[in-house]
Amino acid sequence: DAKTTQPNSMESNEEEPVHLPCNHSTISGTDYIHWYRQLPSQGPEYVIHGLTSNVNNRMASLAIAEDRKSSTLILHRATLRDAAVYYCILRRPDNYGQNFVFGPGTRLSVLP
Amino acid sequence: DAGITQSPRHKVTETGTPVTLRCHQTENHRYMYWYRQDPGHGLRLIHYSYGVKDTDKGEVSDGYSVSRSKTEDFLLTLESATSSQTSVYFCAISDRDTTGGHTGELFFGEGSRLTVL
Repeated sequence: DAKTTQPNSMESNEEEPVHLPCNHSTISGTDYIHWYRQLPSQGPEYVIHGLTSNVNNRMASLAIAEDRKSSTLILHRATLRDAAVYYCILRRPDNYGQNFVFGPGTRLSVLP
Repeated sequence: DAGITQSPRHKVTETGTPVTLRCHQTENHRYMYWYRQDPGHGLRLIHYSYGVKDTDKGEVSDGYSVSRSKTEDFLLTLESATSSQTSVYFCAISDRDTTGGHTGELFFGEGSRLTVL
């Protein structure tokens, strides 16, 4: 299975943009790129996902490199509530959603 | 928030006793999953279900069994709990998209913390 590499931790200041990187050099052509986050003492929650093109939603933007070997999750304006562990996940196509592999993720701290 | 309820939320038990964790959903989603989360391992899939009475093993299924007799309930059973099964257990649900494939979006419950002494 293709693996992802993320920094263990990052810091950001409140109200500033945050760019969370993810390397996935062994990604295959059909792997989806997913981002989830886990707030303290909660289950993970979906943030965004994409295949080839950049994606935007109300929570964040996903920028995917042209060769797809890396991606960046962009939080446009960090708030204290965005402090969480962020997981970058490659998911090969499946029928039942059984191929999500969660790694250790990046722990984001947001400073007031 | 997705309607997912896990019970119990906290349990302490002794080695060798049976334990059942329940996941209840009100979303009528087709797929349900049980994960465990341990320090240094992230979340790992134990079992999943793709319909009533349809289940399959995940990455770390040894020592666990599951059952799904109704769309809304997915039970995880530890027949004889061991200390290595001390963990936080998360239930998740998801559904099909309009093309019949997977939506790509998992919704997680709040977790059940199990301690096996």
